[in-house]
Amino acid sequence: KAGVTQTPRYLIKTRGQQVTLSCSPISGHRSVSWYQQTPGQGLQFLFEYFSETQRNKGNFPGRFSGRQFSNSRSEMNVSTLELGDSALYLCASSLSGGPSGNTIYFGEGSWLTVV
Amino acid sequence: QKEVEQNSGPLSVPEGAIASLNCTYSDRVSQSFFWYRQYSGKSPELIMSIYSNGDKEDGRFTAQLNKASQYVSLLIRDSQPSDSATYLCAVNYGGSQGNLIFGKGTKLSVKP
Repeated sequence: KAGVTQTPRYLIKTRGQQVTLSCSPISGHRSVSWYQQTPGQGLQFLFEYFSETQRNKGNFPGRFSGRQFSNSRSEMNVSTLELGDSALYLCASSLSGGPSGNTIYFGEGSWLTVV
Repeated sequence: QKEVEQNSGPLSVPEGAIASLNCTYSDRVSQSFFWYRQYSGKSPELIMSIYSNGDKEDGRFTAQLNKASQYVSLLIRDSQPSDSATYLCAVNYGGSQGNLIFGKGTKLSVKP
């Protein structure tokens, strides 16, 4: 069974540019969440999608956006990149979300460096 | 502000010892609790989940939950050098499980 797949794995962008990251969840999983991990702030929740709808959103500026497609694949976009956006972006999938009983699986992440 | 607190460590234990990792959380309505292990440069890997008060054992790992004290812990018995990693405590405060609040992690070092 294939795991959560994230692309690209590594990328370097310039301040002011925008970036799109892609995530393919485990087959059959309908919930996809995105997290940002930095040394200073740790793992922080960005947003969660379920059946193409954003179900939860973390405390990030509007420059961070996402979407989910009918096949459950998800993308996140960061516009007008800032140096502080340099981080590991992790995608996680689960069957359906819900308060218990669903294991969350993380992808390997996309390492974004903004210069 | 919902928070999850962990001692950042590093926590150093000798091989074969018991490693004890602790986590406190701020909101009493929390429903689900998770421990993830993250090796340097890798993504988090789920070790244990626990939903009700008491202990839950899985191999060398035991998770303990005390909702009255808002405290969750992870014990690693017979610690091995391969257990050296950062351990992340995560809490779901309700709603979908995709909305986890993570602690900043405790770095564990197991010395041979």
